[in-house]
Amino acid sequence: ETGVTQTPRHLVMGMTNKKSLKCEQHLGHNAMYWYKQSAKKPLELMFVYSLEERVENNSVPSRFSPECPNSSHLFLHLHTLQPEDSALYLCASSQVQNANNSPLHFGNGTRLTVT
Amino acid sequence: GNSVTQMEGPVTLSEEAFLTINCTYTATGYPSLFWYVQYPGEGLQLLLKATKADDKGSNKGFEATYRKETTSFHLEKGSVQVSDSAVYFCALRKAAGNKLTFGGGTRVLVKP
Repeated sequence: ETGVTQTPRHLVMGMTNKKSLKCEQHLGHNAMYWYKQSAKKPLELMFVYSLEERVENNSVPSRFSPECPNSSHLFLHLHTLQPEDSALYLCASSQVQNANNSPLHFGNGTRLTVT
Repeated sequence: GNSVTQMEGPVTLSEEAFLTINCTYTATGYPSLFWYVQYPGEGLQLLLKATKADDKGSNKGFEATYRKETTSFHLEKGSVQVSDSAVYFCALRKAAGNKLTFGGGTRVLVKP
């Protein structure tokens, strides 16, 4: 299996639930990203991990908690979400070295619905 | 800061028509420029890129030229197909940076 794989593809959760999104990349990359894609809004960068260290957190609420246990895996832990958090959550990876020539490779996303 | 502006859609075309999607950017230095495409139900895929001024990126019949004098990276295709229906995103990355800045996306619908 190659590329960036996200699971689950679809998730419905209540506001009091705790769930996690998973992302795995098989490209040998060492940077990973979480993006949020909402209807009629630009793509929002949430978190960036470079060499397994979080290097960017774009003022994301604490109900979203990322985890990067190694360079191939990235999680987004969710708790006490709000209905406005319903969106497509996209994971991406890239190579840190020669970053300018290393495009992001995206997974197919997890479609999250908060009820 | 950095920003990318692209034309709002939806853009509706007939098959074999010529497609242009405008993209302009604001950035310091010499960013790399990208076009990504998102087909229904999928994530974003890199379509083409250009890393310096006057570079032309091309793929699957699409082309875009990095124009530093006009800070633009317009996407073109001479003859679109129904399978080109998707959302297209223009993006930039600053030199030595990890972060991609995306435009708002342009939905393209090609009718038979």
